[in-house]
Amino acid sequence: DAGVTQSPTHLIKTRGQHVTLRCSPISGHKSVSWYQQVLGQGPQFIFQYYEKEERGRGNFPDRFSARQFPNYSSELNVNALLLGDSALYLCASSLVRATNEKLFFGSGTQLSVL
Amino acid sequence: AQKVTQAQTEISVVEKEDVTLDCVYETRDTTYYLFWYKQPPSGELVFLIRRNSFDEQNEISGRYSWNFQKSTSSFNFTITASQVVDSAVYFCALSEASKVTGGGNKLTFGTGTQLKVEL
Repeated sequence: DAGVTQSPTHLIKTRGQHVTLRCSPISGHKSVSWYQQVLGQGPQFIFQYYEKEERGRGNFPDRFSARQFPNYSSELNVNALLLGDSALYLCASSLVRATNEKLFFGSGTQLSVL
Repeated sequence: AQKVTQAQTEISVVEKEDVTLDCVYETRDTTYYLFWYKQPPSGELVFLIRRNSFDEQNEISGRYSWNFQKSTSSFNFTITASQVVDSAVYFCALSEASKVTGGGNKLTFGTGTQLKVEL
C-alpha cells in the first residue's frame, strides 16, 4: 500500500510569491495534518483537516491556508512568501483525529525561499 | 503552555551499545499522550511508540523500551544493542486532549536528538 505522498519534493521560490503544496493520505485515512520543520528544529503544527473541515490551527499567520478535498487529499497554500518560510513541510495522515492516534508522515516538500 | 524538551542534541555510540534518549515535557492537562518518532535522512517521521498519561507501566518492544515517570514529567526512550540503521533524528512529542476542539492529534515536538551509531 502506498504511504503518504507529497509533491513536489523540492521547490524554490522568491520572496512575495505564492506556493501550493500537495498531499495524498494513505488510502482510508480521513485526517490530514500539516507541519513545518525548520532546519534543526522539531516539526511545528500548522493545520489539521478532517472530513474536509479545518479542525485545528497552529500559531501561523493568515498567509497560510489549506483545504481538504472529497478524496481526502489536501493542499497547503502560502501567500507572500518570506525568507523565514524556508523549511521542510510535512504532511501526515491518520484514520481518525483522536488525540492518541499515531500519525503517518510523508517525506515532505523542501521549500527554499530566496 | 505545553512544551517538550530534549536536552541531548547529538549522541554518538558504537554499534551494540545501549543508548537512552531523554525527554521532559510540560503540560497542565491530566489527559495526554506521549510519542517517539524517528526521522531518517529521507525525511519522513516514523512512529515508534506511544504512551497515555494514565499508564505508567514501562514496556519493552523488541530492542525498544521506554521509561515513563509522571513524577518527573519524563518519557525516556532506550534502544538496546544499537545498530547502524538506528542512526537518525529522534523526536519526542506530546498530544493533549484539550488542545483541539472535538478531539484531535496536534503534536508538540521537541527539538530532536541526532543519534549516530558507528561501527
